Amino acid sequence: DAKTTQPTSMDCAEGRAANLPCNHSTISGNEYVYWYRQIHSQGPQYIIHGLKNNETNEMASLIITEDRKSSTLILPHATLRDTAVYYCIVRVAFKAGANNLFFGTGTRLTVIP
Amino acid sequence: EAGVTQSPTHLIKTRGQQATLRCSPISGHTSVYWYQQALGLGLQFLLWYDEGEERNRGNFPPRFSGRQFPNYSSELNVNALELEDSALYLCASSKTGESEKLFFGSGTQLSVL
Repeated sequence: DAKTTQPTSMDCAEGRAANLPCNHSTISGNEYVYWYRQIHSQGPQYIIHGLKNNETNEMASLIITEDRKSSTLILPHATLRDTAVYYCIVRVAFKAGANNLFFGTGTRLTVIP
Repeated sequence: EAGVTQSPTHLIKTRGQQATLRCSPISGHTSVYWYQQALGLGLQFLLWYDEGEERNRGNFPPRFSGRQFPNYSSELNVNALELEDSALYLCASSKTGESEKLFFGSGTQLSVL
C-alpha cells in the first residue's frame, strides 16, 4: 500500500471550509484514497473514498488531482464537532490477503469558534 | 441498528496477567478487525477475522491472539501483559468484500500496571 503524508495539525475557523491535504506520490493505479476521522475518545469514522474522480457525500468532498499523487478532503462548513484527527489512507480495495486499512498518525484538525 | 459494541470499556491488569477483550459486530457483518492505539500514536493493525477464520495479522507477537465465534463476535486475548500493552484497543466490523467501510466501536482502554 502506498504511503501517505499529511500535516500534523491544522486550524480552521468555525463556519469556514476546512481543506485537509494528503500526499500519496507513490499511489498505484488500482489504489483508492480513503478518509476516516477520529473524534476524541471514539473509534474512527468512515468519511469518504475515491479512485480518481472527485467524490461528494453528506459529510465531505474529496478532490483527487489528475495525476492522483495528492488529494484534499473538504469539509464545506466546519463546526466545532468536526474537531478530530483525520486519516488519509491509500490502499487497494478488496486486496486479497490484506483486507484491512493501515492508519498513520493523521492530521489533527481544530475548529476554532 | 446497533453499532459495534466492545466490552469492557476499561480494563486494568498487572504485568504478566492475561486480558480478554470482546467485540460484537454490526448485525450482518462477518469481518472483524482489531487495532491497537497507544497514547498519541496512530492505529496499528492487529488482526482480521472473517467467517470464523483468521485472515491476516499485523506485526505483533504471538501472545496477541483471538478468535471469532459462529455469531461473528470476537475476542482478543493478550497473554503475559507488558507495560507497553497499555493502549486503546479498537474493534471494527465490515461486510465481507466491503472493507473500505469499517465501522468502529468505542474501544477498550487497557491499562497495565
